[in-house]
Amino acid sequence: GENVEQHPSTLSVQEGDSAVIKCTYSDSASNYFPWYKQELGKRPQLIIDIRSNVGEKKDQRIAVTLNKTAKHFSLHITETQPEDSAVYFCAADSSASKIIFGSGTRLSIRP
Amino acid sequence: NAGVTQTPKFRVLKTGQSMTLLCAQDMNHEYMYWYRQDPGMGLRLIHYSVGEGTTAKGEVPDGYNVSRLKKQNFLLGLESAAPSQTSVYFCASRPGLRNTEAFFGQGTRLTVV
Repeated sequence: GENVEQHPSTLSVQEGDSAVIKCTYSDSASNYFPWYKQELGKRPQLIIDIRSNVGEKKDQRIAVTLNKTAKHFSLHITETQPEDSAVYFCAADSSASKIIFGSGTRLSIRP
Repeated sequence: NAGVTQTPKFRVLKTGQSMTLLCAQDMNHEYMYWYRQDPGMGLRLIHYSVGEGTTAKGEVPDGYNVSRLKKQNFLLGLESAAPSQTSVYFCASRPGLRNTEAFFGQGTRLTVV
């Protein structure tokens, strides 16, 4: 079945440095790739998404890249701040309209 | 406009008891989903629906049943709860199009003892 793998599971970076989270997916029919941020005790919320007709999308300090040939997509956060500390999930929209999530990355920002 | 609302927020069940979790959305969304979240395992899809009267299995459907009798509601049932079903359950909905954002409810923390 469809599968989304996410790495790393935990990531600790110095405040001001960049963070990168990587995902791979298995369903070649997937064409929508959202990223969600979940703060402790809260619901997941969308921070950025990308569709398969583009290779990169940027929104202020957050960017996502997509390589459809390799079935890879990545989240890049630059100039990290304490409020970036959270769990981040990648996901892929399958051909059956399912949304399959990766296992999550716990990002910690060190002061 | 409340978005996606889950009922209840917390529940403790004894092994073998049954219960129903309710997800209600007021955004006229076609697609609805039920996920469970366990530490280190992300969000795993239990069941989903692409419209009123339809349901389909996700990644981990065993031990759960669902119904979508009304477009705005998606019910998740546990017929005979087991400790392995202790988890945080999230409902999500999105418009009837792929490539659109899914909105999540606030979650239900279920403990089975």
